[in-house]
Amino acid sequence: GAGVSQTPSNKVTEKGKYVELRCDPISGHTALYWYRQSLGQGPEFLIYFQGTGAADDSGLPNDRFFAVRPEGSVSTLKIQRTERGDSAVYLCASSLEGPALSPLHFGNGTRLTVT
Amino acid sequence: KQEVTQIPAALSVPEGENLVLNCSFTDSAIYNLQWFRQDPGKGLTSLLLIQSSQREQTSGRLNASLDKSSGRSTLYIAASQPGDSATYLCAVPYSSASKIIFGSGTRLSIRP
Repeated sequence: GAGVSQTPSNKVTEKGKYVELRCDPISGHTALYWYRQSLGQGPEFLIYFQGTGAADDSGLPNDRFFAVRPEGSVSTLKIQRTERGDSAVYLCASSLEGPALSPLHFGNGTRLTVT
Repeated sequence: KQEVTQIPAALSVPEGENLVLNCSFTDSAIYNLQWFRQDPGKGLTSLLLIQSSQREQTSGRLNASLDKSSGRSTLYIAASQPGDSATYLCAVPYSSASKIIFGSGTRLSIRP
């Protein structure tokens, strides 16, 4: 596809369950980012990948959150033992190069609801 | 620590007016500044990216300026249209450029 694709678009899960959110970046984009957005707020940085490695994971709120990008393209954000406070829209973005050089292209996000 | 602020949080103007949205940042050592548009329930769409060496960028009816020394950027929208209604966010790379910090956005409503 032409843009960043995120699946699922909506996810409802029970407190304590494990979830995986998937991001397909634009083909050829080496940089990939995960953000979390709550209602009325700007996106909050979670993690940044350059290629296969996490160049900056300082935004991950705690060790329940983990993200991988094993082949340098598709990325998965994994949340263990979900809590109601994890409810938010999780956004993925990619860019051709790093953030100092190239604009970000965002997907439409995954709306996560923890009941 | 970099903080990005956008004022006002919301703005409503009649169609046809020219308007200015403001973005301020606390650390002037930025690589670039990017303006985005977000429609309800959607992701963000990049509008303009200004490199730190530039003073402004233009795209159609949009013009973004950057003043690093004062820590400010403005987004100017000419001849506003109802289709411009959306939330507008600015963002800057921070901390060796790996982390991009967003403002909370300005929710713009253009009245027909």
